[in-house]
Amino acid sequence: QKEVEQNSGPLSVPEGAIASLNCTYSDRGSQSFFWYRQYSGKSPELIMSIYSNGDKEDGRFTAQLNKASQYVSLLIRDSQPSDSATYLCAVKDSNYQLIWGAGTKLIIKP
Amino acid sequence: SQTIHQWPATLVQPVGSPLSLECTVEGTSNPNLYWYRQAAGRGLQLLFYSVGIGQISSEVPQNLSASRPQDRQFILSSKKLLLSDSGFYLCAWSAGTESSYNSPLHFGNGTRLTVT
Repeated sequence: QKEVEQNSGPLSVPEGAIASLNCTYSDRGSQSFFWYRQYSGKSPELIMSIYSNGDKEDGRFTAQLNKASQYVSLLIRDSQPSDSATYLCAVKDSNYQLIWGAGTKLIIKP
Repeated sequence: SQTIHQWPATLVQPVGSPLSLECTVEGTSNPNLYWYRQAAGRGLQLLFYSVGIGQISSEVPQNLSASRPQDRQFILSSKKLLLSDSGFYLCAWSAGTESSYNSPLHFGNGTRLTVT
């Protein structure tokens, strides 16, 4: 059974600090990795896609991928209360199936 | 730009009643279409996906069915709802091209279904 694992949290981070969200996956053949943000009662919203090892930055968000360690992370700099949400990691495995993590609840404390 | 419409936003239905949820996508052709369910406080469960008109793949056995009568229309149905069908139903699309392996999913606003 292919898996994507995330710490369920909640992860509490002070406003203005860096929030670090982590995700590990079991299928070594996975090639595409996605981070979604889901506010309570709302649908998931795509934040970042990453396909190659290394870092990818978009505004305050940085996705990091390490295929050798089967690890993908999302960093949020200068965290704001509006960043409080559940963050979902999704991985397309070697069979083109999208496997979802259960999500990490992030709370930004003012 | 592409948009996805899903309705209704909320629905309260009695046990044993039928269900029809509709989803349409604009601004793209031949998308891959998906129905997901999210139970309260739980992760996303893929119910159905479609790569073309009339082509439906079911991921879990249940009393739900899906149809794709047009390229950009996806319908989720049930003849008789169960209490366990309550949840947040999400329609999503992704690019249905040769590069679709790397294409992310884009979700509609969802339908919150309560079966009473």
